[in-house]
This record gives sequence, structure tokens and C-alpha cells, in this order.
Amino acid sequence: GIQVEQSPPDLILQEGANSTLRCNFSDSVNNLQWFHQNPWGQLINLFYIPSGTKQNGRLSATTVATERYSLLYISSSQTTDSGVYFCPYDSSYKLIFGSGTRLLVRP
Amino acid sequence: DAGVTQSPTHLIKTRGQQVTLRCSPKSGHDTVSWYQQALGQGPQFIFQYYEEEERQRGNFPDRFSGHQFPNYSSELNVNALLLGDSALYLCASSSRTGSGYTFGSGTRLTVV
Repeated sequence: GIQVEQSPPDLILQEGANSTLRCNFSDSVNNLQWFHQNPWGQLINLFYIPSGTKQNGRLSATTVATERYSLLYISSSQTTDSGVYFCPYDSSYKLIFGSGTRLLVRP
Repeated sequence: DAGVTQSPTHLIKTRGQQVTLRCSPKSGHDTVSWYQQALGQGPQFIFQYYEEEERQRGNFPDRFSGHQFPNYSSELNVNALLLGDSALYLCASSSRTGSGYTFGSGTRLTVV
């Protein structure tokens, strides 16, 4: 089956620091989304990025579908960025999730 | 524009009981998917409903069943609850036109 590898698994940052989260896939990707799961459990859509680069404020994402990876950049991190980040693989009618990257931003 | 609405937010059930969870999709979405997320893990796909039929199913036993109504809302039913069914249950909606999935806030089910 499809494998989704997210790195790093855990990340601790001081507020204001920058970071890069990575997702590797075992097959070419399409319809890629990045999600942030907040402490209350809600999965919040950050980006819908099948390919190329998008930016939204302090966040930006890049997907290289043929190279089977996607990156999420977080600049000037804030405590509200804490949570778990997911980049599930869209396999037709279902999303296949990895274990996520757990981010803690300290004040 | 209303997002995905799930109810209830929290639920405590006794082993062996049955439970029904509800989901209203985002406006404009016609497809509903259900996921189970155990503590510390990524969500696992249960099934997807489209045009009131189960279109695809994940690796879950028949105790897990669902339904989609003509207004696109959906229910997830779990029979004969086990302690291992304790999890966060997430509903996601999407549309044929693409642009990805939108998730609800989830229902946290505890089986005691």
C-alpha cells in the first residue's frame, strides 16, 4: 500500500523560529492537502496544493508531485502553531494519513 | 458559509452498546467520509458515502455502518461497542469538483 512518511516526527521550537516539515510518498501525489490538527482535535486545512508553491501569511507549501514529496514552511512560529501537522495521500476515494509531525512552539 | 458540523462533540458509552454519530457536510459538498483517530495516531479511513451509497470502505468490521441522506448529511453507526472503539471520529466532506476535503471538529467517543 501507499506509504506516507512525515519528518521530523516531533519538533520543539522557540517562538519566532522557522521550520520545515516534510512529507515523502511512495507514489506520485495528486490533490495534496496540508492539515493542522489543533489541541481540540479539529483538522484545519492549510493548503490544497497538488503541485507548485503557495503562500498564506507565515506559511508556505511546495509540492513536487513527480518527486513524491511536499514541504511546509513555517516562519516566525507562534504558540498557536502548536499541534500536529498532516499531509495525507489522496488515494481516489480516501485519504491515507501518516503519523504526523508534532510541533510544540514555546513562548 | 457553514463548515462541516458533527454531533455530539463528546459521548460516553458502555461496552456492548450502540452509538450513532452525525455529520452535516460543508455547503456545496455532496460526499461524506468518516475517519477514526486513535490517540497519538493519524486518522484511519472508515468509509465514504456518495449519492446515498457506500462508495468505498476501509478495513473496519461490519459493526461499523453508515448512511447518507438526500440532503447529503450522514450518520455513522457502531454496534456492539468495544473498549478499542474509543477514539476521535472525524467526518470530512468533499465535492466532485475537487479542491480537497473539509473536516469537522470530531466526536470524541469513550467506551467504558
